[in-house]
Amino acid sequence: DGGITQSPKYLFRKEGQNVTLSCEQNLNHDAMYWYRQDPGQGLRLIYYSQIVNDFQKGDIAEGYSVSREKKESFPLTVTSAQKNPTAFYLCASSIRDQPQHFGDGTRLSIL
Amino acid sequence: AQSVTQLGSHVSVSEGALVLLRCNYSSSVPPYLFWYVQYPNQGLQLLLKYTTGATLVKGINGFEAEFKKSETSFHLTKPSAHMSDAAEYFCAVRPSRPYTGTASKLTFGTGTRLQVTL
Repeated sequence: DGGITQSPKYLFRKEGQNVTLSCEQNLNHDAMYWYRQDPGQGLRLIYYSQIVNDFQKGDIAEGYSVSREKKESFPLTVTSAQKNPTAFYLCASSIRDQPQHFGDGTRLSIL
Repeated sequence: AQSVTQLGSHVSVSEGALVLLRCNYSSSVPPYLFWYVQYPNQGLQLLLKYTTGATLVKGINGFEAEFKKSETSFHLTKPSAHMSDAAEYFCAVRPSRPYTGTASKLTFGTGTRLQVTL
């Protein structure tokens, strides 16, 4: 079955550490997105990518970085510059004018 | 620019009662509108969408929503609530045009948590 796979499901970060969240899709979608979800704040866009080797900042990109070396993969790195990284992170993808499909998320916590 | 307002962060209904979740939007161009549902520790699942055509849109699990341009609203309804409907619901908007490239950036509301009681 086609879908979006996010790993790991739970992740813990130590102070000063960078961590990378994985997002892989086999839907042959062109566009991919990363959102951050905090209680009571809905989803906020971190980064998005329309094609391989191209990506744009969303509304809250500071402290995060991404890469898009393959169409199927869009990993998100939470750097030590992100001072409040505890959140639920969701990856999504879409093709042309169709709605976005979402993965099951990664919950990041601070040790 | 777009924005979404979901009235009521928590809604509680009895099983079998009408579900009404409110969503108002703002968009500088004609919008595409979406409702997503999220169960605990899971991603978002598309319930229904409005793009063009019929303003009353039917989705999965018996939900429907009506696009009312004059009221800038897209409220979600279900005639009879079931315990399995307990979840968080998000309304989202994106512009119908210009459609540049392959990205379809969504703006989400802050969500409404639906509780269903016996």
